[in-house]
Amino acid sequence: EAQVTQNPRYLITVTGKKLTVTCSQNMNHEYMSWYRQDPGLGLRQIYYSMNVEVTDKGDVPEGYKVSRKEKRNFPLILESPSPNQTSLYFCASSFMSANYGYTFGSGTRLTVV
Amino acid sequence: DAKTTQPNSMESNEEEPVHLPCNHSTISGTDYIHWYLQLPSQGPEYVIHGLTSNVNNRMASLAIAEDRKSSTLILHRATLRDAAVYYCILRDSYGGSQGNLIFGKGTKLSVKP
Repeated sequence: EAQVTQNPRYLITVTGKKLTVTCSQNMNHEYMSWYRQDPGLGLRQIYYSMNVEVTDKGDVPEGYKVSRKEKRNFPLILESPSPNQTSLYFCASSFMSANYGYTFGSGTRLTVV
Repeated sequence: DAKTTQPNSMESNEEEPVHLPCNHSTISGTDYIHWYLQLPSQGPEYVIHGLTSNVNNRMASLAIAEDRKSSTLILHRATLRDAAVYYCILRDSYGGSQGNLIFGKGTKLSVKP
């Protein structure tokens, strides 16, 4: 089944403890992207990648890192999480052509205390 | 800034058609019109997309104005499961950063039994 898989689904962590949220897709998509969603602020893009080793900042990249060493994986790294990074995170992927839709993962609900 | 304008909310009765409007007066010739829906706490889900011609799929229909400055997502018979936030988004076919999906506030659709 074609899908974007995020792990974990839920995570509670403490301030400053490094964490990684994984994202994997099995559709050979070039584009991958991370979004966060907060009440009243909607979906905001954190980082995106247009292919292996090609990444760029979205609208809210501060406090996050990403890497794209393989086409299928696009992990989101929080080196020193803070409470303001408590949010619902979504990973998405797509072919480069705009004539295709994006596929989203089921989300990761992160709480930083 | 989002390049589309949608009503904040709409209401519909179950089993009646729903027409969700979207204005995109600054659309360029290379922009595809994409629609996504999002259920609470779930990832956005692709609905439909088009460039110039009207489009139909098993979920919905997309009617695109002749000048492409507006479009309408049509749900032929609303069900309670269609209650969601619907996003109308332009995706540039040149790709690159313009190929990103940038979400606006969307339209929250309520369906009454």
